[in-house]
Amino acid sequence: DGGITQSPKYLFRKEGQNVTLSCEQNLNHDAMYWYRQDPGQGLRLIYYSQIVNDFQKGDIAEGYSVSREKKESFPLTVTSAQKNPTAFYLCASSMRGETQYFGPGTRLLVL
Amino acid sequence: AQSVTQPDIHITVSEGASLELRCNYSYGATPYLFWYVQSPGQGLQLLLKYFSGDTLVQGIKGFEAEFKRSQSSFNLRKPSVHWSDAAEYFCAVGPTGQLIWGAGTKLIIKP
Repeated sequence: DGGITQSPKYLFRKEGQNVTLSCEQNLNHDAMYWYRQDPGQGLRLIYYSQIVNDFQKGDIAEGYSVSREKKESFPLTVTSAQKNPTAFYLCASSMRGETQYFGPGTRLLVL
Repeated sequence: AQSVTQPDIHITVSEGASLELRCNYSYGATPYLFWYVQSPGQGLQLLLKYFSGDTLVQGIKGFEAEFKRSQSSFNLRKPSVHWSDAAEYFCAVGPTGQLIWGAGTKLIIKP
């Protein structure tokens, strides 16, 4: 079954801790994206990658980092520099120039 | 500035009644246009998209949307809503790799 998986579904972060959210796709899509969603707001782009070993900052990249070592994987690290990390994080993928498809999301909570 | 406006934060509709969700955009050229739906705690599912051609677009679950260039609008419609349509609906515009998102409209269905 082709699709996008995100893990874990829920993640808890302690003060000063870095945490990594996983995103994997088996759709053979070239491009992958990370969004942050807060209540009452639309999606805000954190990072995106159009090709392996290359990625660009989105609108709210501060406090986040990514890597794209494999086509199917695009993990997001929420660093301790992100002071307000509580949000719902969505990963998406697409063929270049095509429609974005989304994973089920990870909810990050701060302890 | 490029933007997407969904004027209605919430809409309440009786089951079986018709629905129209509004989406207005500001964009320099004719963008690609999308409607996505999100159930609570879930990822986003593509309802329909407009790239070019016929301005009335049919989507999944009985939804349709009409692109009106003169009004910079892409309103979503359904002739008869079902209780299962209760969700949040997002309009997005732009090149597919850098979408601009509306803040969403939450649809509430009255029995």
